[in-house]
Amino acid sequence: QKEVEQDPGPLSVPEGAIVSLNCTYSNSAFQYFMWYRQYSRKGPELLMYTYSSGNKEDGRFTAQVDKSSKYISLFIRDSQPSDSATYLCAMSPYGGATNKLIFGTGTLLAIQP
Amino acid sequence: IAGITQAPTSQILAAGRRMTLRCTQDMRHNAMYWYRQDLGLGLRLIHYSNTAGTTGKGEVPDGYSVSRANTDDFPLTLASAVPSQTSVYFCASSENINQPQHFGDGTRLSIL
Repeated sequence: QKEVEQDPGPLSVPEGAIVSLNCTYSNSAFQYFMWYRQYSRKGPELLMYTYSSGNKEDGRFTAQVDKSSKYISLFIRDSQPSDSATYLCAMSPYGGATNKLIFGTGTLLAIQP
Repeated sequence: IAGITQAPTSQILAAGRRMTLRCTQDMRHNAMYWYRQDLGLGLRLIHYSNTAGTTGKGEVPDGYSVSRANTDDFPLTLASAVPSQTSVYFCASSENINQPQHFGDGTRLSIL
């Protein structure tokens, strides 16, 4: 079993919809949680960075962490065609530093105009 | 524009050849990383450097070596390339080991 599981998609939604992207994990030591966006033939771009449980909002993006369920989510409101990309979750343990970062395999998202 | 520069952007290489992938960052970040990205396997850490002069092995280090002579540069060397090393290679950096990583745009490497 992988430490981090992420549905590969593809996920196709109409423009303006709310998108929910999710990852589950098995290591209870994970404390730092990140979401990256990766456009085709580009490097991953940091979107959200949270520590421990709770919600964090940045514009149209909301990151949610539920440590009791070992489940993290990224919500995108008012989705735009420019949001079409692969979304990667990543996490690392407290004190383990980012050289212990574990990535999900990514979810391919397509926003239909 | 500040960021990470990787070179070359793509390369086709014969098996058995030696190859060095270059990575330079101008953000004065202490930590740097090399990943490979393969379909279905995601990003896997090859080697990392917490600070200039130090390096460490990641999840998939075999067949690769790195050096960190200064803060800005972190080259990755394939001593004798094999077809299984065909992949997209990403360099990343972070201000320190407890900060999120920022990535370059990758090198697409094909080993024939």
